Amino acid sequence: DAKTTQPPSMDCAEGRAANLPCNHSTISGNEYVYWYRQIHSQGPQYIIHGLKNNETNEMASLIITEDRKSSTLILPHATLRDTAVYYCIVRVGYSGNTPLVFGKGTRLSVIA
Amino acid sequence: DGGITQSPKYLFRKEGQNVTLSCEQNLNHDAMYWYRQDPGQGLRLIYYSQIVNDFQKGDIAEGYSVSREKKESFPLTVTSAQKNPTAFYLCATMRGGDTEAFFGQGTRLTVV
Repeated sequence: DAKTTQPPSMDCAEGRAANLPCNHSTISGNEYVYWYRQIHSQGPQYIIHGLKNNETNEMASLIITEDRKSSTLILPHATLRDTAVYYCIVRVGYSGNTPLVFGKGTRLSVIA
Repeated sequence: DGGITQSPKYLFRKEGQNVTLSCEQNLNHDAMYWYRQDPGQGLRLIYYSQIVNDFQKGDIAEGYSVSREKKESFPLTVTSAQKNPTAFYLCATMRGGDTEAFFGQGTRLTVV
């Protein structure tokens, strides 16, 4: 079973920041938080991951709370092409090839 | 081009027939994975392989079989024992000790 809880859907106005929450209250000390997204009928795409510090790359920012029980993925300026299902995944990182376990994710709709 | 190739993109079969889905990669990644996705649902793990000639069952392996005779290839056979084979099938790879999984574009199987 997925170790994360996400809202099933969210809307965001184009050009505004999209903030996608994720709860992972049972996360272990060696588990990372990963975010992937899946545009309709395509394979999922990696976005970002983090352990405890906030992370930023060209796609998004990841904010992890101090107790690590929740996190937020931020798309700073959402576009219509960001409409997708976003998956928050908890997994042990850098320790081999443990499969990714997907939940149902959050369906983000970016509206013009 | 480097990447993961799943073929065909669309596949139709009659009920009771076995069908094999192809997944080929030239990324030199050790681990390969098969996922199934039903409409409106997240991805569920069928089988995975961390090394040639070895593979493990995922959460929904019943009715499926795999082989890993070479690093580049991880074909999935959907057998007649699979009760509801119509779904979207995704193949993924991961380099050993890495954190990012790469996905193919998927095969949509319809059994009539």
